[in-house]
Amino acid sequence: AQTVTQSQPEMSVQEAETVTLSCTYDTSESDYYLFWYKQPPSRQMILVIRQEAYKQQNATENRFSVNFQKAAKSFSLKISDSQLGDAAMYFCAYRSYNYGQNFVFGPGTRLSVLP
Amino acid sequence: EAGVTQSPTHLIKTRGQQATLRCSPISGHTSVYWYQQALGLGLQFLLWYDEGEERNRGNFPPRFSGRQFPNYSSELNVNALELEDSALYLCASSFTGTESGELFFGEGSRLTVL
Repeated sequence: AQTVTQSQPEMSVQEAETVTLSCTYDTSESDYYLFWYKQPPSRQMILVIRQEAYKQQNATENRFSVNFQKAAKSFSLKISDSQLGDAAMYFCAYRSYNYGQNFVFGPGTRLSVLP
Repeated sequence: EAGVTQSPTHLIKTRGQQATLRCSPISGHTSVYWYQQALGLGLQFLLWYDEGEERNRGNFPPRFSGRQFPNYSSELNVNALELEDSALYLCASSFTGTESGELFFGEGSRLTVL
């Protein structure tokens, strides 16, 4: 079974600075998706960024980018120019291409942004 | 386009009662997932429905059950409520295929058991 680990329960960053959230996963599959989700205090979970495992190029969405290291099974999220609105719980998630397999979420990292 | 909608937003019950939570997926989505999120904690997978069938189930007792209707909306039932069932229950939907892959979440239903 796949597992997702986020080793940083809490992180903080100064406004306008850059922060990197770590995620590692364990799988024997070669094709899968990886995601970072954000859950602000208002609680609705929203997708931040997505990476397909077959793509070598790291995904980027505005100030958010990932460092995807397939061989190392690592998928970190970098937030540049951090803003107060970035404060949230961040969850790393794995989804197999194979039908019948669940999404697997990591335990989350709580990010605080300091003014 | 409407997102995933959940009702009720808040629900207060007492021990031993039953709770029913409802979820309407995004139009065109056939898969519905239910997660339990205890206060400040991560997501625990409860149930996955697709095309009206239960496809997978998390490590929860049988008093957690649900169903998916022909219009793909879903219902989560929790019988014989216990204090530790107090949590945010999140519903999410997705396409069955691999074209998108992502989950779209509702705002959740906060269940409080007294």
